[in-house]
Amino acid sequence: NAGVTQTPKFQVLKTGQSMTLQCAQDMNHEYMSWYRQDPGMGLRLIHYSVGAGITDQGEVPNGYNVSRSTTEDFPLRLLSAAPSQTSVYFCASSKWTAGPGANVLTFGAGSRLTVL
Amino acid sequence: DAKTTQPPSMDCAEGRAANLPCNHSTISGNEYVYWYRQIHSQGPQYIIHGLKNNETNEMASLIITEDRKSSTLILPHATLRDTAVYYCIVGDSWGKLQFGAGTQVVVTP
Repeated sequence: NAGVTQTPKFQVLKTGQSMTLQCAQDMNHEYMSWYRQDPGMGLRLIHYSVGAGITDQGEVPNGYNVSRSTTEDFPLRLLSAAPSQTSVYFCASSKWTAGPGANVLTFGAGSRLTVL
Repeated sequence: DAKTTQPPSMDCAEGRAANLPCNHSTISGNEYVYWYRQIHSQGPQYIIHGLKNNETNEMASLIITEDRKSSTLILPHATLRDTAVYYCIVGDSWGKLQFGAGTQVVVTP
């Protein structure tokens, strides 16, 4: 049982390049999300999904695209990387039901992205 | 803006209890209080959550005031491995959990 797996762990891009950060979970979690964390700051929500085919924006969605074609995978795409997107990216997942209830997140180990 | 207010830092002696305060005066009736911690640059780790009642698990205790406007996370016997940033978060089941800057806890020998 691997939990939440993120790849790659480290990536260096040049401005304008595109790339995809991968996130996979093997816990059959409905809810998946992407956060970014800048130095000395808390995590900010980029996008989230409550099931296959359903995605929505978080606090800082600009410059990022997501899709959810399967329950297990939730990739984050940077279409044209900018230095402002240099950050550590965390993927998280949880069991989720539409209705009252807690949402306890399991996080991946993170992907450190540098855009030159 | 984050919905919670936490002190930026606090120190704790090893073996003593660490009491971490959190204010969430605008919490709504269906929102839970969650605590996570982040050690170095690792992914945040879930600690505990609660709605109205006090909660305890193998890691910590959570005390929520009767009006639910504040809470305290208690680490009963802090160890050096508890040195981390601790985040207090409120959110409902839709999971749009907003992390603030958290409290940097340093446990000293």
